[in-house]
Amino acid sequence: GAVVSQHPSWVICKSGTSVKIECRSLDFQATTMFWYRQFPKQSLMLMATSNEGSKATYEQGVEKDKFLINHASLTLSTLTVTSAHPEDSSFYICSARVGGGVNQPQHFGDGTRLSIL
Amino acid sequence: AQSVAQPEDQVNVAEGNPLTVKCTYSVSGNPYLFWYVQYPNRGLQFLLKYITGDNLVKGSYGFEAEFNKSQTSFHLKKPSALVSDSALYFCAVRDRIRDSNYQLIWGAGTKLIIKP
Repeated sequence: GAVVSQHPSWVICKSGTSVKIECRSLDFQATTMFWYRQFPKQSLMLMATSNEGSKATYEQGVEKDKFLINHASLTLSTLTVTSAHPEDSSFYICSARVGGGVNQPQHFGDGTRLSIL
Repeated sequence: AQSVAQPEDQVNVAEGNPLTVKCTYSVSGNPYLFWYVQYPNRGLQFLLKYITGDNLVKGSYGFEAEFNKSQTSFHLKKPSALVSDSALYFCAVRDRIRDSNYQLIWGAGTKLIIKP
């Protein structure tokens, strides 16, 4: 149980393109989803916290207009990297928390490797 | 502020030997601690958590972790390592960020290499 599906797993695109990444909870309802960015050989950096039906809360230093997050349903959140540039190349990972219990673990998607040429 | 430290960038263990991956924490209040594992080009998988109760927590794939309040540690252990345990391991502590919402504060990660 508690499977999170993230799609696509790998994206290569030209500079200036906008890229959408989907994160779905397949067998549970995720009231809260998290978007992370991970640089090579580094830990996860939280970008934003997304609650269903409300605007995402972004961490300091993360551009809201650059990284658009939509959490339209209890099973789907999307991250759109707008007008992507090479410096946006990274490994992006989403996670979802089961139910509303704050002590519940987060369950992660397999990540999306984004490469901007 | 809450913080987590994983003092070792890499741990090397021979297959069949016991393994320990270290984690220390700093929190105000009761700690809520987690261990996750990440395989190459994959997301993270939950291994175990400590919220309250027994100090020895058992998790997935034969892993366990020992909560030690006096030493503020939550080391991950396994009695007999497998080559397939080779991966990146993250320790995390829950942090309240705003209102009733929480996030996980992550350690830097420890690369575990199990040699045949």
